[in-house]
Amino acid sequence: GQNIDQPTEMTATEGAIVQINCTYQTSGFNGLFWYQQHAGEAPTFLSYNVLDGLEEKGRFSSFLSRSKGYSYLLLKELQMKDSASYLCAVSLWGGGNKLTFGTGTQLKVEL
Amino acid sequence: NAGVMQNPRHLVRRRGQEARLRCSPMKGHSHVYWYRQLPEEGLKFMVYLQKENIIDESGMPKERFSAEFPKEGPSILRIQQVVRGDSAAYFCASSPRDRGLQETQYFGPGTRLLVL
Repeated sequence: GQNIDQPTEMTATEGAIVQINCTYQTSGFNGLFWYQQHAGEAPTFLSYNVLDGLEEKGRFSSFLSRSKGYSYLLLKELQMKDSASYLCAVSLWGGGNKLTFGTGTQLKVEL
Repeated sequence: NAGVMQNPRHLVRRRGQEARLRCSPMKGHSHVYWYRQLPEEGLKFMVYLQKENIIDESGMPKERFSAEFPKEGPSILRIQQVVRGDSAAYFCASSPRDRGLQETQYFGPGTRLLVL
């Protein structure tokens, strides 16, 4: 089966940097997605990694190590509006493009 | 430039009734996915459809649940004889035509089903 682990909750300060980790144990790994979800709203696409390394998009960056089954999402210059749940999701070869999600990391940004 | 549309946004049903959830994918997208999010749990895949075809329904409960994506009109997720355990947020996502690569899925706002 597949197993995806993320911390349940994290707290950080406005203006700081936070790293949200995701580890996975799957067979047939294809790629990894990060989504942001505010309470009561739709998940919003943040990033997609298929190769090892760092992908940077403005204040958000995502890293992948396929050999270690590990990814992280890095958020810089935190803003209050970044308080949300961050979802790590894995796609598998032959999985018909369906995504397997972790339970999400609830990030709280404080003053 | 409409995104993925879902309706209704909120749906209340009594036990034993039918729930019908609708999803219109983004313009130009021909792949639709349904996910369920139970309280305090992650999103769980239910079914993957293309126009007039169910591609993968491995996440669908064997009974009471069905999905379709007709040639014309929205995709429908139907839950017959609802029970309290069906109370959840149901999200639809869509992606562009499959070119053999992983395509990003874009999510709708969800339908929150409450079974009394």
